Amino acid sequence: QVQLQESGPGLVKPSETLSLTCTVSGGSISSYYWSWIRQPPGKGLEWIGYIHYSGSTNYNSSLKSRVTISVDTSKNQFSLKLNSVTAADTAVYYCASTRYSGYDFDYWGQGTLVTVSS
Amino acid sequence: SYELTQPLSVSVALGQTAGITCGGNNIGSKNVHWYQQKPGRAPVLVIYRDTNRPSGIPERFSGSNSGNTATLTISRAQAGDEADYYCQVWDSSVVFGGGTKLTVL
Repeated sequence: QVQLQESGPGLVKPSETLSLTCTVSGGSISSYYWSWIRQPPGKGLEWIGYIHYSGSTNYNSSLKSRVTISVDTSKNQFSLKLNSVTAADTAVYYCASTRYSGYDFDYWGQGTLVTVSS
Repeated sequence: SYELTQPLSVSVALGQTAGITCGGNNIGSKNVHWYQQKPGRAPVLVIYRDTNRPSGIPERFSGSNSGNTATLTISRAQAGDEADYYCQVWDSSVVFGGGTKLTVL
């Protein structure tokens, strides 16, 4: 059973960089793509992007200019950096495993709320 | 970019059958996945690739997909099925529907 756990600061100042890490346990990091998804308070889900263990990435075009997703296979972790944040980036951020076969998300972290505020 | 349209809300009487639709251009040609999200919790995959249930998901949850509409059907609705439901596809990028709030009366 794959388990994912997000970690990182819960408060980020406007114009700074949001950084989160997802630690994967119970499964091989080579078995999936690994995604970040966010959900602003009271709103729907927005996919941010995914990474393959090889390092190849695919990002949501609306966020592509500000997003970097990286992977550390030695630690079974992958990370998100979102730069130049504004209040609109306030959201619960989830990491999730993404299956090759259909790009569905079968395992999710519990989510972490990141608030952008000075 | 590809868009998915869901009703904002659906109501169903306890024990009856609810259908939640997800509309998209020729969605029948795509794999549709469905997620259930309860307040304060992460989404849970309930249907993948149109009709498949992950392990642990009750048989009461089923899916179909044809033409321009995919449907999640919840039979014998229970109070515990009250949640937001999201459809999702891949179209050169991940696309989520806006979500439907299911109320069990």
